[in-house]
Amino acid sequence: QKEVEQDPGPLSVPEGAIVSLNCTYSNSAFQYFMWYRQYSRKGPELLMYTYSSGNKEDGRFTAQVDKSSKYISLFIRDSQPSDSATYLCAVNQAGTALIFGKGTTLSVSS
Amino acid sequence: EAGVAQSPRYKIIEKRQSVAFWCNPISGHATLYWYQQILGQGPKLLIQFQNNGVVDDSQLPKDRFSAERLKGVDSTLKIQPAKLEDSAVYLCASSSSVPLSKKASEATDTQYFGPGTRLTVL
Repeated sequence: QKEVEQDPGPLSVPEGAIVSLNCTYSNSAFQYFMWYRQYSRKGPELLMYTYSSGNKEDGRFTAQVDKSSKYISLFIRDSQPSDSATYLCAVNQAGTALIFGKGTTLSVSS
Repeated sequence: EAGVAQSPRYKIIEKRQSVAFWCNPISGHATLYWYQQILGQGPKLLIQFQNNGVVDDSQLPKDRFSAERLKGVDSTLKIQPAKLEDSAVYLCASSSSVPLSKKASEATDTQYFGPGTRLTVL
């Protein structure tokens, strides 16, 4: 079983749609849950992070962590063409390297 | 604040040749990571440095890959000899010890990534 599982998509939605991206993980010791966005031919950039369980909202983006089911979600409201990118979930413990999912490729059409 | 710099951006070599990548982290960042990202996959850690010491190199194929971080700043990753399966993007990331939040219980590092070096092995 891989440490982090993520459906690679691709996912295509029209502009304005609500997007749901998900990951599952296997190790209950992970404490930090992150979403990175990666545009084509660029390095990943941190979008959001969550410590332990709960929700976190930042503008059109909401990150959720359910530690009981080892499930991580990212919701994008009112999606825009500029949101078209690959979204990577990542987990770790403090001070350690990130363990990434495969990434989900999102395309938002205008 | 300048970001993580990497060079070259692209490299094409033939199998069995050697290649080296360079990374300059964000100024003041003590921790430096090298990740390998194969097409269609998420990045995978190769090696983690804290200043100029190795913290984790458990996933580094040491028969062909080597890395160093002299003086605790810049780092070089080398592959010798390269294989076809080494074709990937090599990402460098750095982080500081500043917590993500003001809560001590949430102390961790934010990793900032460079643009990567895209390696093609023919």
